Amino acid sequence: GAVVSQHPSWVICKSGTSVKIECRSLDFQATTMFWYRQFPKQSLMLMATSNEGSKATYEQGVEKDKFLINHASLTLSTLTVTSAHPEDSSFYICSARSLGNQPQHFGDGTRLSIL
Amino acid sequence: AQKVTQAQTEISVVEKEDVTLDCVYETRDTTYYLFWYKQPPSGELVFLIRRNSFDEQNEISGRYSWNFQKSTSSFNFTITASQVVDSAVYFCALSSNFGSQGNLIFGKGTKLSVKP
Repeated sequence: GAVVSQHPSWVICKSGTSVKIECRSLDFQATTMFWYRQFPKQSLMLMATSNEGSKATYEQGVEKDKFLINHASLTLSTLTVTSAHPEDSSFYICSARSLGNQPQHFGDGTRLSIL
Repeated sequence: AQKVTQAQTEISVVEKEDVTLDCVYETRDTTYYLFWYKQPPSGELVFLIRRNSFDEQNEISGRYSWNFQKSTSSFNFTITASQVVDSAVYFCALSSNFGSQGNLIFGKGTKLSVKP
């Protein structure tokens, strides 16, 4: 149980393109979803936290107009990297948790490469 | 402030050796959770363990064991008789704010290389 599916797993696109990444909880209702970013050989840094039906809470230094997060249902959150540039190339990982103190369950991540 | 420190950036061992990965945390919360995750080269995060702050019992799962000591704010992870498949980056993480968002704060990770 507690499976989180993230799609796509790998994206290569041109600079200026907008890219959407989906994060789905397959067998539980995710009240809260998290989006992390990981640069090569570095740790995971929380970008934002989203609760279903509410606006996402962004961490300091993360541009909300650049990284659009939508959590429209209890099983789906999306991260859209708008007008992506090479410096946005990174590994993006989502996680989801249900109510209470349940642990976060992670997706397999998305490798984003902007040319 | 909350912080997780993994002082060992990289560790290299030979197969069958035991290895301990260190994790030291800082938090002012009295209730919190500690985690270990494994990240193989493919990138996905594999959940290994969650321990709450009220449970200081050490845990063993096969070749894995964890030593939680609140007195030293440490949550160390030991792999016994290491295998090549154990090669990965291991992250220690902290989650406070009991009952609320439960954001995970990760350490910088320790890259473990197990050579045959």
